[in-house]
Amino acid sequence: QVQLMQSGDEVKKPGSSVKVSCKTSGGTFSIYTFSWVRQAPGQGLEWIGRIIPIFGAANHAQKFQGRVTFTADASTNTAYMELSSLKSEDTAVYYCARSSVLEWVLLANGDYYYYSMDVWGKGTTVTVSS
Amino acid sequence: EIVLTQSPGTLSLSPGERATLSCRASQSVSSSSLAWYQQRPGQAPRLLIYGASSRATGIPDRFSGSGSGTDFTLTISRLEREDFAVYYCQQYGSSYSFGQGTKLEIK
Repeated sequence: QVQLMQSGDEVKKPGSSVKVSCKTSGGTFSIYTFSWVRQAPGQGLEWIGRIIPIFGAANHAQKFQGRVTFTADASTNTAYMELSSLKSEDTAVYYCARSSVLEWVLLANGDYYYYSMDVWGKGTTVTVSS
Repeated sequence: EIVLTQSPGTLSLSPGERATLSCRASQSVSSSSLAWYQQRPGQAPRLLIYGASSRATGIPDRFSGSGSGTDFTLTISRLEREDFAVYYCQQYGSSYSFGQGTKLEIK
């Protein structure tokens, strides 16, 4: 059974950075994309961005411009998200989620087609507090 | 960015009843790239429906999705106690965005 195993909970100071990992067991790493979604306490789901490991391509929601970095290591089947310049408003549960790619379709804007998120990690709680 | 608006915010029903949840998009969602997720307290979201109407693996047939363009619906035909949770719609036709969620609670 495919699982996404995320790294442990973190407590960070404002202004610092956090790096969360997401290791996939089962399946072929190169046919997936990995998104990061966060959920602030009592709030809804917010997409942060995604990485396409086979192309080394990544994109993110505008509000995270300049603060988020996505990487992937195919040798360990692990995706990473690093968020910098942390603020108290970044306190949330961070989920990684996998999308299975049926076909690599290049869109007119240079991005690749999106798919639904069929497997989710259990989440990593990041608390930002002084 | 496509904005998704879900209604109602909270739906109070009893086990055995039928639930109808709505998701409206600010612009047409291409290729019916609309998914529904269920989130139980303390758990990660789970994919229920993709492509507006296709059930994900292992999802019971009491869950069904319909709609196209800007209006989409998730229907749960006969509610079971395990179905009381929060439901999110998501569009993936133009990047990703989520609706704000509908809480389905026991009446």
